[in-house]
Amino acid sequence: SQTIHQWPATLVQPVGSPLSLECTVEGTSNPNLYWYRQAAGRGLQLLFYSVGIGQISSEVPQNLSASRPQDRQFILSSKKLLLSDSGFYLCAWSARQETQYFGPGTRLLVL
Amino acid sequence: LAKTTQPISMDSYEGQEVNITCSHNNIATNDYITWYQQFPSQGPRFIIQGYKTKVTNEVASLFIPADRKSSTLSLPRVSLSDTAVYYCLVAMQGNTPLVFGKGTRLSVIA
Repeated sequence: SQTIHQWPATLVQPVGSPLSLECTVEGTSNPNLYWYRQAAGRGLQLLFYSVGIGQISSEVPQNLSASRPQDRQFILSSKKLLLSDSGFYLCAWSARQETQYFGPGTRLLVL
Repeated sequence: LAKTTQPISMDSYEGQEVNITCSHNNIATNDYITWYQQFPSQGPRFIIQGYKTKVTNEVASLFIPADRKSSTLSLPRVSLSDTAVYYCLVAMQGNTPLVFGKGTRLSVIA
C-alpha cells in the first residue's frame, strides 16, 4: 500500500531563517505531488504541484519554492521566512487520474 | 475549476444522520465530486467520490441528482468522533489541482 511521510511534524523558526520541509511517498511510481498551506481556521491553499521530476508549477507567488529531486520526493523551501509563512503545511500525492491523498502535515511557527 | 458552496457549520446529536449539501452550479461534464474529512492538526482524509446518482461506502453515502448541480454527503448515525471539517470539491480527476473552500465544520454533541 502507499504511504506518504512528512517531516518534521512541528517546527519553530525565527523570521529570516531558511526553511526546508520534506515529503516522500512510498509504494507508488511517478505520482503527482502537491504542497498546500492551511492558515489557522482556514481552508487549504495550493502552493505547488508537480507531475514529474524537475517539473514544478506554482499557484501562488511568494517567498517559497519547491523542488522535486527524485520521483517520490517533494521539498518545500524558503531562503528567508516571514511571519506570514506560519501555518500547517500539507503534502499530497495522487496517481494519474486518481484521488489525492494527504500526509500528516508539518506545523510551522515563525517567530 | 467549479466553485462550491456549502454551509459553514452544522451541529448534530450523536446517533443522528447528518446530511451536508454542496452546491456546484458550474460543474463541468468531466468533473467528479469528492468529499474530504479533516480533523484538527491532521491532513484531509478522502471520504467518498462520485460522478452521478448514488455512491456508498463503509463511511458515507453521496447523493448526486441528475443535473449534478449539487450533491449531498450523508453520514449515518454520527458519533462524537465525526466532529471535523468536511470539504466538498469538484474537479477533473488527474493532474488538475484541487481547490479547497472553507468546508463545513460539523460538531457532534453527546
